Amino acid sequence: EPEVTQTPSHQVTQMGQEVILRCVPISNHLYFYWYRQILGQKVEFLVSFYNNEISEKSEIFDDQFSVERPDGSNFTLKIRSTKLEDSAMYFCASSAGGASITEAFFGQGTRLTVV
Amino acid sequence: GQQLNQSPQSMFIQEGEDVSMNCTSSSIFNTWLWYKQDPGEGPVLLIALYKAGELTSNGRLTAQFGITRKDSFLNISASIPSDVGIYFCAGGMNRDDKIIFGKGTRLHILP
Repeated sequence: EPEVTQTPSHQVTQMGQEVILRCVPISNHLYFYWYRQILGQKVEFLVSFYNNEISEKSEIFDDQFSVERPDGSNFTLKIRSTKLEDSAMYFCASSAGGASITEAFFGQGTRLTVV
Repeated sequence: GQQLNQSPQSMFIQEGEDVSMNCTSSSIFNTWLWYKQDPGEGPVLLIALYKAGELTSNGRLTAQFGITRKDSFLNISASIPSDVGIYFCAGGMNRDDKIIFGKGTRLHILP
């Protein structure tokens, strides 16, 4: 069964450092998302991406965050200068789009720990 | 902003019992989704609902999209140990739009 793949599964970084979280969405999907989940809390929307551009972003997704689809398969989230409060699970998701029924499928997540 | 209120926050039940949990919103959603999250894993889609009044089953799971489009419930029949986890409702306005998650219902099953 096709799945969304995220790497690394766990990343520890020092405050102020840049991190790049990587995702390989399901191959025929057209819509891509990043969500985050602070430990023990709900899953929060960060950004959606379609047709090589951001279609929507939340207030969490400030200038420190950026997304990119550098090639035909990867979708990345970059945090430029990490803060302690960026520590969370980051989930990538993708959906097929189009006229057929679509749902967002989530990856296993990257646990980011900022120290 | 849009918020989903999910209840109960946690449940303790005996194996074999039926479970019911629900989700309400002050605003209308066009899509309701139910996800399950196991510890350290990403949310896994259980059921997707797209029409007001729609009742959909997936094995022992049944979910309904409320007529007012402001609520949804999820039922699990004859619970088994692997049902343990956190169940999230999520709502979306359009099929490919972001989805807003509720805070989750944590299901515990007593031996």
